[in-house]
Order: sequence, then C-alpha cells, then structure tokens
Amino acid sequence: GENVEQHPSTLSVQEGDSAVIKCTYSDSASNYFPWYKQELGKRPQLIIDIRSNVGEKKDQRIAVTLNKTAKHFSLHITETQPEDSAVYFCAAFKAAGNKLTFGGGTRVLVKP
Amino acid sequence: DTAVSQTPKYLVTQMGNDKSIKCEQNLGHDTMYWYKQDSKKFLKIMFSYNNKELIINETVPNRFSPKSPDKAHLNLHINSLELGDSAVYFCASSYGHSNTEAFFGQGTRLTVV
Repeated sequence: GENVEQHPSTLSVQEGDSAVIKCTYSDSASNYFPWYKQELGKRPQLIIDIRSNVGEKKDQRIAVTLNKTAKHFSLHITETQPEDSAVYFCAAFKAAGNKLTFGGGTRVLVKP
Repeated sequence: DTAVSQTPKYLVTQMGNDKSIKCEQNLGHDTMYWYKQDSKKFLKIMFSYNNKELIINETVPNRFSPKSPDKAHLNLHINSLELGDSAVYFCASSYGHSNTEAFFGQGTRLTVV
C-alpha cells in the first residue's frame, strides 16, 4: 500500500523567513497530493493541492512542487507569519481504492 | 449548514463500554472516511466507504464497526473500549474517484478511563 513520509517533524522559523516541508510517497499510481493545515484543537483544512500532471502550483505565500519521477513533493511557505504556526500534513490520493494517505505531520512554529 | 458534522465532540467513557460516533455530510460526496489521530498527531486511515460500500479496512480491530445507512452518513461503533482507543476520531468526505479535496468533520475526542 501507499506510504507517505514527511520531514521534518518539527520546524521552528523566525517570522518573515521561509519554511519548507518535504514528503515522499511510494505508490506511483497516486495522482493527487493535497496539503492540510491543522490548528490546535481544530480540524485539518486544505491549504493547497497539486495533481500529477502539474509540477508546481502557487497561491500567494504558499507553493507546492511535485517531482513524479522521484516521487516527492514539497510545501514552501514564504514570509512566514505567527498565524502560520500549526501542524501541516501532506497526503497522497489514489483513486483506485479511494485511499487518502497522510504523512506524519510537521509542527511549524513561527517565532515573532 | 456545516459540511461534515460529527457528534459528539467529546466522549468520556469507561473501559469495556460500547459507544458510537455519528457523521453526516451534506456535500453530496460519494466517499466517506474515518481517521484516528493519536497523541502524536498522526492521522491514520481506518475505513473508507464509497456509496455505502466498504472500500478500505486498514487492519482495524473488529471491535470497530462502521455503518453507512446511506452515502451521506457513516457512523462508527466501538465495542469493549480499551485505553488505547483514546484519540481524536475524524470523519471526512470527498468525491472518491476524482482528485478533489476531502472535507473533515470537527473531530470527536474519545477518552477511555
């Protein structure tokens, strides 16, 4: 089955700096890669996603890149702000089997 | 008009009891999931249902029995609760065979004492 690895598990950055989170997946049949942000005590919510026919996508301060050959994808947050502090999850989805598999999460702390 | 709603939000119960968590979505999605989030925040899939049919059962103990009366509802019943069942349980839904966002419920924090 699919296995999604996420690194680092914790990330502390100074406000204004960039944050990068990296994920790898094992199943080449996975074709959709969402990123979720989970604030303390809240539900995970989608912040950006990328499909396997696209290599890069950007939405304001966040961007995601996908390398299908290497089976890895990354989240980039620029100009970090204290409200970016949360746990971020990458995930890989495979339509066959309706399975959305999550990475282990990265706890991001943005220090003012 | 909450998209995915779970009840209850908090559940405290004794070992050995049987309890249920309910989930409903009003998004017209055909696929619903149950995830378990442990104290280390890892989100582990438990079950996936598509149009009321079980698609995925990720080696979950058979004390856990999901039931989907229709494609808008996916309930989770847990028998003989154990201390290790303490976690936050999230329900989610999506369009199963397309690459679209999964929406999560607000979670149910289950504490077994």
